[in-house]
Amino acid sequence: EAQVTQNPRYLITVTGKKLTVTCSQNMNHEYMSWYRQDPGLGLRQIYYSMNVEVTDKGDVPEGYKVSRKEKRNFPLILESPSPNQTSLYFCASSFRGTGATNEKLFFGSGTQLSVL
Amino acid sequence: SQQGEEDPQALSIQEGENATMNCSYKTSINNLQWYRQNSGRGLVHLILIRSNEREKHSGRLRVTLDTSKKSSSLLITASRAADTASYFCATGLYNFNKFYFGSGTKLNVKP
Repeated sequence: EAQVTQNPRYLITVTGKKLTVTCSQNMNHEYMSWYRQDPGLGLRQIYYSMNVEVTDKGDVPEGYKVSRKEKRNFPLILESPSPNQTSLYFCASSFRGTGATNEKLFFGSGTQLSVL
Repeated sequence: SQQGEEDPQALSIQEGENATMNCSYKTSINNLQWYRQNSGRGLVHLILIRSNEREKHSGRLRVTLDTSKKSSSLLITASRAADTASYFCATGLYNFNKFYFGSGTKLNVKP
């Protein structure tokens, strides 16, 4: 089954304790992206990747890191989490990003992160 | 911001009625898409309309796009309780590799 798998589903941590949220897709998609969703603000893009070893900042990249060493995986790293990073996070992928006219995004189930 | 804005923020209707949601955006787009989100879960793609299209249908969904007004609407006909969800528009910008999402319309369909 074609899917984007995110883990964990829920995560509670404390300020400053490094964490990684994993994301994997099995559709051979080139484009992968991370979003955070906060009430009233919709989804905001954190980072995206056009292919292996190619990453770029979205609109809210501060405090986050990503890597794309393999095509299927795109982990989100918070090296020193702070309470303002408490949010619902989504990983998404598409075949080639917005460069193709009919691109659509496939989303993971989300990770609810709480930073105390 | 190039983010789309949905209107209304919340909509409550009876089962069987039609639901209309609107989306406005700020810049030229490659395409506009609508997504559905059930209660904090991942978004699911509903329908995509290209910038050179004016109307598109998919089952009970009808999407229109007016690029001169930079706006789109999503119509759900004969709504069902199972349509209760949040609906988001997203714009795809060619050459920018970003999808911009609005803040969503929360639809409640009462049985």
